Amino acid sequence: DIQMTQSPPSLSASVGDRVTITCRASQSISSYLNWYQQKAGKAPRLLIYAVSSLKSEVPSRFSGSGSGTEFTLSISSLQPEDFATYYCQQNYDVPPTFGGGTKVEVK
Amino acid sequence: EVQLLESGGTVVQPGGSLRLSCAASGFTFSSYVMNWVRQAPGKGLEWVSGISAIGDTTFYADSVKGRFTISRDNSKNMVFLEMNSLRAEDTAVYYCAKDRLERRPNWFDPWGQGTLVTVSS
Repeated sequence: DIQMTQSPPSLSASVGDRVTITCRASQSISSYLNWYQQKAGKAPRLLIYAVSSLKSEVPSRFSGSGSGTEFTLSISSLQPEDFATYYCQQNYDVPPTFGGGTKVEVK
Repeated sequence: EVQLLESGGTVVQPGGSLRLSCAASGFTFSSYVMNWVRQAPGKGLEWVSGISAIGDTTFYADSVKGRFTISRDNSKNMVFLEMNSLRAEDTAVYYCAKDRLERRPNWFDPWGQGTLVTVSS
């Protein structure tokens, strides 16, 4: 199975900060990388698919980049509603696998 | 609007069985892979199983292979997860999630609200 490793596991940030989360794959996954946001007590929701394509209605402050084995999710200016846990997921191969998550907390 | 509603979660003893259901609406159900993804308390996400649009191909995580069975009824827009030989480590919220394509798991959008399975004596 392809292992996905996210860093950092958690971070503290303030409203307005730029936030970057990294996701590394144990082998090349080309551009088969997706990002989800999960708020406490809620189901995850898809934010970005295929590395950099924003799902409709996702604010443009979210962006994704990368290829091969290293990927990033960036939030250009953190908003109060962005405090949540973020997961990367590869769909290069079955089984699809998730990173361990990055919790974005209030500083 | 796409809606997914899971049901069937409860407390079950180790070694027991349980069947989860997911009722789908708002899209052409028979055109998409459907998945189950779980989340143990305080932990991350783990994909469990997926089934192709017409139900001819199933996929399982190694952790549940041989114990869980996924199926679907396209006439009723429902997907099921039959869980046998349950273990404490199967305790989790189980989410039903629609896929983007018809043949194999890809990305998951949207997700249901989840149903809690607790394996405990």
